[in-house]
Amino acid sequence: DAGVTQSPTHLIKTRGQQVTLRCSPKSGHDTVSWYQQALGQGPQFIFQYYEEEERQRGNFPDRFSGHQFPNYSSELNVNALLLGDSALYLCASSSPGGLTGTDTQYFGPGTRLTVL
Amino acid sequence: AQSVAQPEDQVNVAEGNPLTVKCTYSVSGNPYLFWYVQYPNRGLQFLLKYITGDNLVKGSYGFEAEFNKSQTSFHLKKPSALVSDSALYFCAVRDLGGSQGNLIFGKGTKLSVKP
Repeated sequence: DAGVTQSPTHLIKTRGQQVTLRCSPKSGHDTVSWYQQALGQGPQFIFQYYEEEERQRGNFPDRFSGHQFPNYSSELNVNALLLGDSALYLCASSSPGGLTGTDTQYFGPGTRLTVL
Repeated sequence: AQSVAQPEDQVNVAEGNPLTVKCTYSVSGNPYLFWYVQYPNRGLQFLLKYITGDNLVKGSYGFEAEFNKSQTSFHLKKPSALVSDSALYFCAVRDLGGSQGNLIFGKGTKLSVKP
C-alpha cells in the first residue's frame, strides 16, 4: 500500500516564474492538505481540498492556488514566485473527509522548492 | 486562537536514558493533539495522537505521550532512547475553528541521542 507521494522531489525556479507541485494521496484517502515548511520552522497550512473543492485556506496570498482531481490527487500552483517562497512543500492526506477533526493526516516526503 | 509551543529548541539525551520532548497548547474547547517526527530531508511521520480517553497515549517506535489538561501539556516520552531517535519532533493541534481541517504546528524540537 503506497503512502502519500509527491513530485518532483526538488525544483529550482527563478523569481517571477510559476510552479506546479503534485501529490497523490494514500490509498483510501479523499482529503488533501498542503503545507509550507520554511527552513527551521514548523509546517504552515496553505489549504485543504475535499470533493474537488477548496474547503479551508490558511494565510497565504492568492498566488497560491490548487486543484483536486476526481481520483483525489492534487496540485499546488504558485504564481509569480518570490525568493521567500523557497521552502519544503508538504502534502498530507486523510480520510474520511476530515470533517470530525479526529482524523490523522499522513504526509508525503515533500517537494523542495528553491527560488533564485 | 489555537496554538502549541515547544519550549526547547534542542534536547540532548544519552542512549538508553529516558527522553522527554515538551509541548504545551492553548485551545478553546477540547484539544486534538498530535506528535510527528521528521528525519533530515524527509516528510513528517505520524507518531501518536490524543483525541479523548486515557491520558497516556501509546504510539509508534516505543513513544508515548501524556496529556495533562490542568497543565495544558502533551509531552512526548520514551523510556529508553536510541541513537536512531535523533530527529526533529513536532507537536501539533487541530484547528477547531472553521471546518477543522488543518493542523497548527509548533516550531519543532531537535532531539539528539548520543551513544
